[in-house]
Order: sequence, then C-alpha cells, then structure tokens
Amino acid sequence: KAGVTQTPRYLIKTRGQQVTLSCSPISGHRSVSWYQQTPGQGLQFLFEYFSETQRNKGNFPGRFSGRQFSNSRSEMNVSTLELGDSALYLCASHPPIDGELFFGEGSRLTVL
Amino acid sequence: GNSVTQMEGPVTLSEEAFLTINCTYTATGYPSLFWYVQYPGEGLQLLLKATKADDKGSNKGFEATYRKETTSFHLEKGSVQVSDSAVYFCALSERQRAQKLVFGQGTRLTINP
Repeated sequence: KAGVTQTPRYLIKTRGQQVTLSCSPISGHRSVSWYQQTPGQGLQFLFEYFSETQRNKGNFPGRFSGRQFSNSRSEMNVSTLELGDSALYLCASHPPIDGELFFGEGSRLTVL
Repeated sequence: GNSVTQMEGPVTLSEEAFLTINCTYTATGYPSLFWYVQYPGEGLQLLLKATKADDKGSNKGFEATYRKETTSFHLEKGSVQVSDSAVYFCALSERQRAQKLVFGQGTRLTINP
C-alpha cells in the first residue's frame, strides 16, 4: 500500500513569490491535514480537509490556503512568500475510522 | 488552549542505557496522547498512543502511560539502541478532532555505540 506522497520534496523561492505544494493521501483516506515544521515554532497545524471541505484551520494568516479534490488529493498554497515561511511542510492522511495519522516525508521550502 | 511541554534536548546516551523523555500536557476534556518519531530526512511515524487515563501504549520496546492525575505521558525504554537515534515528539488531540494534533517541541535523541 503506497504511503502519503508529497511533491515537490525540495524547492527554493524568493520573497514575494507564491508556492503550491501537493499531497496524495493513502488510498481510501479522505481526510488530509497539513502541518508546518520550523526550528523555532516546531510543528504547527495548518488546516484539515475532508471530502473537499475544510474542517479545521490553525492560526496562520490568509496567505496560507488549501484545497482538496474529489480524489482526496490536496494542495496547499502560500502567497507573497516571506523569509519566515521557510519550513518543512508535512501532509498527513487519516483513515475513515479512528486511527493514526500517516505522514508524508514533507516538502522543504526555502525562501530567499 | 491545549499545549504539550516535553523535555528539552538534545539527549545523548550510550547504547543499552535507560531512556526517559518527559512529557506533560494541558488540555480541556480527555485528549488522546501520542508519541511520534522522526528519523533524519523522513516524516513523522506514530510510535505509540493512549486514548484514556491509565492506558499504556507500547511499541518497539518503548512504553508510555497516560497519567491524568499528573497530566503526563512520559516515554521510556529499558535499553536503547543506536537505531533509536531520532527526534521524538509528544502530541495530543482532542476527542473527535484526531487530525488536529498539538505537538511538543521535540527532543533529539542520540545514542552512541
């Protein structure tokens, strides 16, 4: 069974640009969550999608947005990038019934 | 709001030593508690979990007991191996919101042969 797949794994952007990250959940998982990991703030919840609807949202500015498609794949977008957005962005999928989160390997974003 | 505080690292031990990584939490209601592990260059993997008071989660020789009276979920292992070197995260989730985890700051563990 394939795991959670995130693309791209690494990317470099400059301030003011925007970026889109992609996440393919485990087959059969309809819930996808996104987390930001930085050395200073640690792991922080960004948002969660289920059946194409955002169910929960963390405390991040509106520059951070996401969406989920009918096949459960999810994307997150960060607009007007700032240096502080440099981070590892982790996606996790969740099975239909109670169970653990399965994390991808992450997309490492560097903003110059 | 909910929060998790865990022992600051880094922690360096010799192989076969006893490991304890402390974790305490603040939460309303009755959260579920987790330990996740992150190996270099990888995402997070669930190590163990407990969903109610006095539950003991265990996996790969690691154990943690959900202590409601002390709001703690300390991670222990009797004899660590070099392959246990990683970053360990304590986390909690509210009931019915299993996808929204609140993490501690992480503890980097290095095991020397």
